[in-house]
Amino acid sequence: SQTIHQWPATLVQPVGSPLSLECTVEGTSNPNLYWYRQAAGRGLQLLFYSVGIGQISSEVPQNLSASRPQDRQFILSSKKLLLSDSGFYLCAWSASGSTDTQYFGPGTRLTVL
Amino acid sequence: SQQGEEDPQALSIQEGENATMNCSYKTSINNLQWYRQNSGRGLVHLILIRSNEREKHSGRLRVTLDTSKKSSSLLITASRAADTASYFCATGRGAGKSTFGDGTTLTVKP
Repeated sequence: SQTIHQWPATLVQPVGSPLSLECTVEGTSNPNLYWYRQAAGRGLQLLFYSVGIGQISSEVPQNLSASRPQDRQFILSSKKLLLSDSGFYLCAWSASGSTDTQYFGPGTRLTVL
Repeated sequence: SQQGEEDPQALSIQEGENATMNCSYKTSINNLQWYRQNSGRGLVHLILIRSNEREKHSGRLRVTLDTSKKSSSLLITASRAADTASYFCATGRGAGKSTFGDGTTLTVKP
């Protein structure tokens, strides 16, 4: 069966520090991968989307970047965090070529102070 | 406003009652999905209804889709305290991407 992992679960970082969040998927090949951010009490904002290794689509211009160095690994990064980067970050995957169900990781709570 | 808006924003009911949540959207869709999120956790997929379907059931869940009104509803029958969560609709917009609403927060009191 497929599983999706995210780490760390929580992170507190000072303004101006770098960021690296990692997401890995097991049990499937060539998945679509997604990074979302969720503000408190709100829905999900799609940040990045990837259909394959090295293929990244950015949905919202911002202080963040994403990379997919391996088929089932998706990394969210920042060189210098801003206060506004605080939030709940969720990674998700869907089957290749599918517009259907997305499967979510447990999320990372990021607080920038 | 964004695609996929849920209504009401918050709903509080007693255990055993039915809960109905609605979702409206603005543009054509391939499918519409409902997800549940327990506090501080990831989203869990509940049910998907395609644009050519009108109603779908899964256990205590019933989803309807009215493409002429661009709306969907999620009915949870015989609610339980464990159903307390936020519920989101998401509209599939091709290329594997979906747009999520802000959700309905459901509280089921024992």
